[in-house]
Amino acid sequence: ETGVTQSPTHLIKTRGQQVTLRCSSQSGHNTVSWYQQALGQGPQFIFQYYREEENGRGNFPPRFSGLQFPNYSSELNVNALELDDSALYLCASSIRTGSYEQYFGPGTRLTVT
Amino acid sequence: AQSVTQLDSQVPVFEEAPVELRCNYSSSVSVYLFWYVQYPNQGLQLLLKYLSGSTLVKGINGFEAEFNKSQTSFHLRKPSVHISDTAEYFCAVSLNAGGTSYGKLTFGQGTILTVHP
Repeated sequence: ETGVTQSPTHLIKTRGQQVTLRCSSQSGHNTVSWYQQALGQGPQFIFQYYREEENGRGNFPPRFSGLQFPNYSSELNVNALELDDSALYLCASSIRTGSYEQYFGPGTRLTVT
Repeated sequence: AQSVTQLDSQVPVFEEAPVELRCNYSSSVSVYLFWYVQYPNQGLQLLLKYLSGSTLVKGINGFEAEFNKSQTSFHLRKPSVHISDTAEYFCAVSLNAGGTSYGKLTFGQGTILTVHP
């Protein structure tokens, strides 16, 4: 059973640019959630996708968007990057059963300069 | 809306000593409760969870936690810590509801546990 993987591991972008982060879910998982973890903070929920549809969103502006593909891999897109977008971005996959277990990837460290 | 407060930002402890990491939550509806651990430069790993049933739950690596509904707390404990337990620990809640509430975690600020030899 493969785990959750994310790419890239690190990247540096300039304010105003756009970025795409990728997540490959654990095999058989149909739900993926994305979280933003600023330095010294707990993760904050961005949004969740279930069977390729957005299934809830946290308090993040529309310039944060996502996609989930038929193979349940996922992307997080951020437009018009701001300095405060610098953070660790985590994705978590799950099967959506009563266990409520989510499996987190190692994260992508985004630095906006 | 729900919220989570971890009462200690840092907890230093000596090896083989007991430790308790405190977590309080606020919610107008029933919640599920979780503790995650994050090692440096890694993602989050689930230590334990409370969904229903016995209020004392046991997790991996010898950790346990007790759900106290009246005090809205879910403190994490370990009777004897090891150097390898040095990490950041996060308490999280999820609404006890289906639909669009499924699996959405609200995290506390984290507690850095440092185990000294």
